[in-house]
Amino acid sequence: DTAVSQTPKYLVTQMGNDKSIKCEQNLGHDTMYWYKQDSKKFLKIMFSYNNKELIINETVPNRFSPKSPDKAHLNLHINSLELGDSAVYFCASSHGSNTGELFFGEGSRLTVL
Amino acid sequence: KNQVEQSPQSLIILEGKNCTLQCNYTVSPFSNLRWYKQDTGRGPVSLTIMTFSENTKSNGRYTATLDADTKQSSLHITASQLSDSASYICVVSATSGTYKYIFGTGTRLKVLA
Repeated sequence: DTAVSQTPKYLVTQMGNDKSIKCEQNLGHDTMYWYKQDSKKFLKIMFSYNNKELIINETVPNRFSPKSPDKAHLNLHINSLELGDSAVYFCASSHGSNTGELFFGEGSRLTVL
Repeated sequence: KNQVEQSPQSLIILEGKNCTLQCNYTVSPFSNLRWYKQDTGRGPVSLTIMTFSENTKSNGRYTATLDADTKQSSLHITASQLSDSASYICVVSATSGTYKYIFGTGTRLKVLA
């Protein structure tokens, strides 16, 4: 039973296209996150949602728009893709206080050509 | 400024050998410190959590230590196995602030047969 699942796992697309990555968690957590992992493997926070409300938006270009239809889902939509958007995107969730254990999805590798 | 630094950046050891990874932090006020293991192509998974009052905690062949006075933690891996090859990420949580997880840059460990 996958705790945090994200789709697709791989995404190859052309510059200028729009794409979405979906994330779902079945852990009953109320906080979800999107992280970007660059080629140096550093995980950088992009967004955080608590009970469907945006609480963190870390200077991410407004081409990136997260959407949380309910507290079990946090999707990421990216408009007008650029070469620099190529990375692995991880969804994660945690319980309540924001200091609890983070549970990560398997990642979505985005390649922009 | 809240920061987490890890060393070494990368490490290669022979199977069966021990190794120690280091994590220094300047996060305040401190809540807890977690070590995550990230296998290639997977999401990070928590290995152990250290709170302020804990000095040592073991999880199988993994032993984490915490010195809250010097703000240092270590992860010791005993009798390494090929499956220990991964990135190990130190994440320190603060008790205040909008975003409370401070990530280290990770140590990439390669275990050779």
